[in-house]
Amino acid sequence: QKEVEQNSGPLSVPEGAIASLNCTYSDRGSQSFFWYRQYSGKSPELIMFIYSNGDKEDGRFTAQLNKASQYVSLLIRDSQPSDSATYLCAAGGSQGNLIFGKGTKLSVKP
Amino acid sequence: DAGVTQSPTHLIKTRGQHVTLRCSPISGHKSVSWYQQVLGQGPQFIFQYYEKEERGRGNFPDRFSARQFPNYSSELNVNALLLGDSALYLCASSPGTATNEKLFFGSGTQLSVL
Repeated sequence: QKEVEQNSGPLSVPEGAIASLNCTYSDRGSQSFFWYRQYSGKSPELIMFIYSNGDKEDGRFTAQLNKASQYVSLLIRDSQPSDSATYLCAAGGSQGNLIFGKGTKLSVKP
Repeated sequence: DAGVTQSPTHLIKTRGQHVTLRCSPISGHKSVSWYQQVLGQGPQFIFQYYEKEERGRGNFPDRFSARQFPNYSSELNVNALLLGDSALYLCASSPGTATNEKLFFGSGTQLSVL
């Protein structure tokens, strides 16, 4: 059973701090990894994707991938209350599908 | 350009009934996937269609079926509804079926089975 594991949280950080979200995956064959943000009652929104080991930065977001450890993370710098949402980690599956974790709920306190 | 559109947005059914959910992908995208998201869980893969053919199927019973039309829109059908089918049903589109494709989700159909 191919799985993606995330800490469900909630993760609470003060405004302006760095939020660190982590996930691990079981399928060593996965080559692509995605982070989606989902506000309550809304659909997932793609915010980052990463295919190679190392870091990838986009604005306040940095995705990190370590294939040897089967570990993916998302850092959010200068966290804002508007970043409060559930963050879903997903790994690319063999059928062109995505395998999602359960999500980590992030709360940014003003 | 319009994003992924889904209809209806909300639906209430009773056990044993069937339901049809509809999805139109982003213009130019040929692949449509369906996911089920139960409250508090991540989306679970149901089907992927590309060029009107099923390219992938998740671990769902045969009560779930889907099809894709020549204009790349898609329908998801669920027969003999159970209480456990209550969930947010998400449609996602992508240009193709590669394993590194980025999926873009519609706003979903919230199905409640009573």
